[in-house]
Amino acid sequence: DQQVKQNSPSLSVQEGRISILNCDYTNSMFDYFLWYKKYPAEGPTFLISISSIKDKNEDGRFTVFLNKSAKHLSLHIVPSQPGDSAVYFCAAPGAGANNLFFGTGTRLTVIP
Amino acid sequence: DTGVSQNPRHKITKRGQNVTFRCDPISEHNRLYWYRQTLGQGPEFLTYFQNEAQLEKSRLLSDRFSAERPKGSFSTLEIQRTEQGDSAMYLCASSPREKVPGELFFGEGSRLTVL
Repeated sequence: DQQVKQNSPSLSVQEGRISILNCDYTNSMFDYFLWYKKYPAEGPTFLISISSIKDKNEDGRFTVFLNKSAKHLSLHIVPSQPGDSAVYFCAAPGAGANNLFFGTGTRLTVIP
Repeated sequence: DTGVSQNPRHKITKRGQNVTFRCDPISEHNRLYWYRQTLGQGPEFLTYFQNEAQLEKSRLLSDRFSAERPKGSFSTLEIQRTEQGDSAMYLCASSPREKVPGELFFGEGSRLTVL
């Protein structure tokens, strides 16, 4: 039972353009969401998060938008850079916040 | 290097053998987690420690799996009588006492291949 879903396995974007990565969730009890980035042969690293009391959180080139009514969030990267090429995972903490539910990931390729 | 350290990085074993992975968390982090990631999937939660206490276990953690954190520092994950379905990347993560919900610091993982 996949509670966090990323339906696009891959995305290619030209350098300098906007990358938009999407994530849907089914559990309305989730109240916090995170994006992790993973390079090959490395563990995932935390990128940005958003609380359910907000609809937007921005950190430099990265912005996460949350639409609670649609149970949808998205990560915008602008401008995209080749170093952004990685797998991006959407995640949400379960009850008690001791376990994270991850999506299946989206592989972003930024073309120079 | 003060990040999360995992050993070994790669392990190839035959079905039925036992394997053990070790995780050294970031020293000031009292919370430690094990996750498993298979090809094409995101990480899946296995278990959580706060100091030496194992406080949560996923149903993915069958009775062939055992995790310990004896002194609240490093942790081990042992898999007994390995099966081919155990082939995966085993990720360890830690987080500090006042953590942001879900912000974990992951190690590079230990890749298990069961032949």
